[in-house]
Amino acid sequence: AQTVTQSQPEMSVQEAETVTLSCTYDTSENNYYLFWYKQPPSRQMILVIRQEAYKQQNATENRFSVNFQKAAKSFSLKISDSQLGDTAMYFCAFMKHDSNTGKLIFGQGTTLQVKP
Amino acid sequence: GAGVSQSPSNKVTEKGKDVELRCDPISGHTALYWYRQRLGQGLEFLIYFQGNSAPDKSGLPSDRFSAERTGESVSTLTIQRTQQEDSAVYLCASSLNTGVRNEQFFGPGTRLTVL
Repeated sequence: AQTVTQSQPEMSVQEAETVTLSCTYDTSENNYYLFWYKQPPSRQMILVIRQEAYKQQNATENRFSVNFQKAAKSFSLKISDSQLGDTAMYFCAFMKHDSNTGKLIFGQGTTLQVKP
Repeated sequence: GAGVSQSPSNKVTEKGKDVELRCDPISGHTALYWYRQRLGQGLEFLIYFQGNSAPDKSGLPSDRFSAERTGESVSTLTIQRTQQEDSAVYLCASSLNTGVRNEQFFGPGTRLTVL
């Protein structure tokens, strides 16, 4: 079975600074996908970034980038130039590559507060 | 176009009552998912529908939970004889098709409180 662990329940960062959210996972699969989702107070989950395990290059989406360390089973999210609108709960998630159902396995989440 | 919608937004019920939660997926999306999010926790997969295939019910926590979907449209999640531990936000998501390459789009959820 796969598990996803986020060891930082809460974090804060000053506006315009950089913050890194941690995520580790456990799986015996070789091919899989990893995701970071954002959940603002509106509760609506939004996909932030996705990484395919067989790709060595770290994914980037504007101010968001990941540090994917496959051997260490680590998948951290870096947010650069933090903005007030980044305040939200962030979830790391895992999906098997050959998943027919698209079932996502989520970590417990990290609440990020961006301070003005 | 409209996103995934869910109703009601909030539901308060008494222990032992039945509740029905509704999800309207994005039009044309064949796959639909239900997740449960307990306070301060991540999402737990409950059930998955794909077209007319048999649903994957592997995440349903007990036989008090059931869900239906008519074709590729609306889905309802029913919880019978609610218990206090059922209190959570229930999130629905839909995707164009199944599998990893199809992004899941989430609704705003229904917050269920069982007194």
